[in-house]
Amino acid sequence: GAVVSQHPSWVICKSGTSVKIECRSLDFQATTMFWYRQFPKQSLMLMATSNEGSKATYEQGVEKDKFLINHASLTLSTLTVTSAHPEDSSFYICSANQEQYFGPGTRLTVT
Amino acid sequence: DQQVKQNSPSLSVQEGRISILNCDYTNSMFDYFLWYKKYPAEGPTFLISISSIKDKNEDGRFTVFLNKSAKHLSLHIVPSQPGDSAVYFCAARPPGSNYKLTFGKGTLLTVNP
Repeated sequence: GAVVSQHPSWVICKSGTSVKIECRSLDFQATTMFWYRQFPKQSLMLMATSNEGSKATYEQGVEKDKFLINHASLTLSTLTVTSAHPEDSSFYICSANQEQYFGPGTRLTVT
Repeated sequence: DQQVKQNSPSLSVQEGRISILNCDYTNSMFDYFLWYKKYPAEGPTFLISISSIKDKNEDGRFTVFLNKSAKHLSLHIVPSQPGDSAVYFCAARPPGSNYKLTFGKGTLLTVNP
């Protein structure tokens, strides 16, 4: 139980385009979703926390207009990286609820 | 400012021996600590946790020790097995944080057969 999936697992996009990453809870309800970003050899950095049906709460330094988070249902949260730049290339991971069930992550490369 | 530090980027041990992974923190408000294990191309999976009211928690081969005065915790794996080879992350959270975690950079453990 408590499986979280992410789609896509990896994506390459051109600079200036937008990319949407999906995070789904497969067998439970995710009332809270956490979105993290991990640069190589760095720790997982929390970007934002979202509760189903509410606006996301962003961590300091994270641009809410650039990283759009939608948590419209109890099984799906999405992260959209808008106007992507090469500096946004990273590993993005979601986790659900207080137990922090993690998804497998999405590798984003912006060229 | 790194509030959770894992100063050893890597550790190598022989199968059957003890693995000791260390973690230091600077925020005295943290009251709950967790260890996660991560394989390549997968998300972290929860291993074991400890509340600040305890100094030890054991689960099978895994034991976590907490030294609040030193702001230090460690994860002991004994006996170590090749399947334990992974990156181990230490994480911490303060009370009332809506379960937000602060992670260390991780330690790559390699258990040699």
